[in-house]
Amino acid sequence: NAGVTQTPKFRILKIGQSMTLQCTQDMNHNYMYWYRQDPGMGLKLIYYSVGAGITDKGEVPNGYNVSRSTTEDFPLRLELAAPSQTSVYFCASCGVSNEQFFGPGTRLTVL
Amino acid sequence: QKEVEQNSGPLSVPEGAIASLNCTYSDRGSQSFFWYRQYSGKSPELIMFIYSNGDKEDGRFTAQLNKASQYVSLLIRDSQPSDSATYLCAVNIRSGNTPLVFGKGTRLSVIA
Repeated sequence: NAGVTQTPKFRILKIGQSMTLQCTQDMNHNYMYWYRQDPGMGLKLIYYSVGAGITDKGEVPNGYNVSRSTTEDFPLRLELAAPSQTSVYFCASCGVSNEQFFGPGTRLTVL
Repeated sequence: QKEVEQNSGPLSVPEGAIASLNCTYSDRGSQSFFWYRQYSGKSPELIMFIYSNGDKEDGRFTAQLNKASQYVSLLIRDSQPSDSATYLCAVNIRSGNTPLVFGKGTRLSVIA
């Protein structure tokens, strides 16, 4: 099993550009999450999904959108990128005991 | 606002010593508690989780939970330089697969 995979690993965007961060898991988990982590800070929840077709906002959803058309995939969309969105983004999926498994992360810089 | 508090550190311990990492949480109804380790530039990886009051041991790691005092701790015995990382405490405030609330983490440095 590959676990949770994320692409790209790194990306530099210009202000106002858009992009999609990809996340895929092969563990057949229903629950998936998107977090951002700023330097020296903890993880802040952006969006989460409890299954295909169902998504919900987390603590910091502004400027982001998600979709969940399949169990495996949970892409995160950034529209009109802003410098405040410079961060490391982690996707995670959740096992039966609520233990979360994280992907390797995407390091995004908005200039 | 549900909060999880951790001392940011750095916590420095000599090799072979016991490292003690603490975490407090604000929601008395919290159900389950998780410890993650995060090396610099890497993603968090699960060390262990605990649901019930008391101790839970896994190898060199022991999680301790005291719901009455609303704290959870992680003890690392025989600390090694490879244990140097940031340790994140996370709390599930409701039962089931609901989002975790993470603390900001404690940076541990094990000195050889």
